[in-house]
Amino acid sequence: GNSVTQMEGPVTLSEEAFLTINCTYTATGYPSLFWYVQYPGEGLQLLLKATKADDKGSNKGFEATYRKETTSFHLEKGSVQVSDSAVYFCALRHSGAGSYQLTFGKGTKLSVIP
Amino acid sequence: DTGVSQDPRHKITKRGQNVTFRCDPISEHNRLYWYRQTLGQGPEFLTYFQNEAQLEKSRLLSDRFSAERPKGSFSTLEIQRTEQGDSAMYLCASSLESGIGYEQYFGPGTRLTVT
Repeated sequence: GNSVTQMEGPVTLSEEAFLTINCTYTATGYPSLFWYVQYPGEGLQLLLKATKADDKGSNKGFEATYRKETTSFHLEKGSVQVSDSAVYFCALRHSGAGSYQLTFGKGTKLSVIP
Repeated sequence: DTGVSQDPRHKITKRGQNVTFRCDPISEHNRLYWYRQTLGQGPEFLTYFQNEAQLEKSRLLSDRFSAERPKGSFSTLEIQRTEQGDSAMYLCASSLESGIGYEQYFGPGTRLTVT
C-alpha cells in the first residue's frame, strides 16, 4: 500500500539557516505529492504540491521537487524565519480512479530560534 | 469563504458515552473527508463523501463509528461507546473535485479526550 516516510524531528535551526526536511514515498503509479504545515494551535494548511515527475512546487520561499527515480519530495528553504516554526507533513494522493484519500507521514516539528 | 469549520473544538467524555462531531465544509465543495490524528502521528484517513454518498471507508472506521452527510452539505461523525483509544484529534477536510484542482482544505479539528 501507499506510505510516506519523513525525517524524524524535532529539528531546531537558527534564523536564516538552510532547511531540508526529507520525505520519501512508496506508491504504485503516479501519486500527487503535497507538503502541509500545521502552525501551533491551527489546522493543517497546504504549503505546496506537485502532480507529476520533475514538477517543482513552491510557496512562501519553500520548494520541493517530485523525484520519481528516488521516490522523494524533500522540502527546502534557503533562509528560515522564526515564523516558520511549525509541524510539516509530507503527504501523497494516489492517482488511481476513486482513490482520493491523503496518506501522511508522521510529521516533522521545526523550531527556529532567533 | 469562511473555510472549513468544526464543532466542538474540544470534547471530554467518559468511556462508554456517545459523542457526535459536526463539520461544515467550504460551500460548493462536493467532497468531504474525515481523518483522525493521534499525538505524534500524521492524520489517518477515516472516510469520505461525494455529495451525500459515503464512497470510501477505512478499516480504521470500526462499527462504533458512523458518519453522515445527509444533504450533501455539513457532515456528522458519531462515536458510540467511546473507548480511551478513541482519544485523538478528528479532522475534517473538503475539496472541490474539478479538472483544475483538488486540494483538500482542513478544519481546525475536534480534540476528543476519553476519560
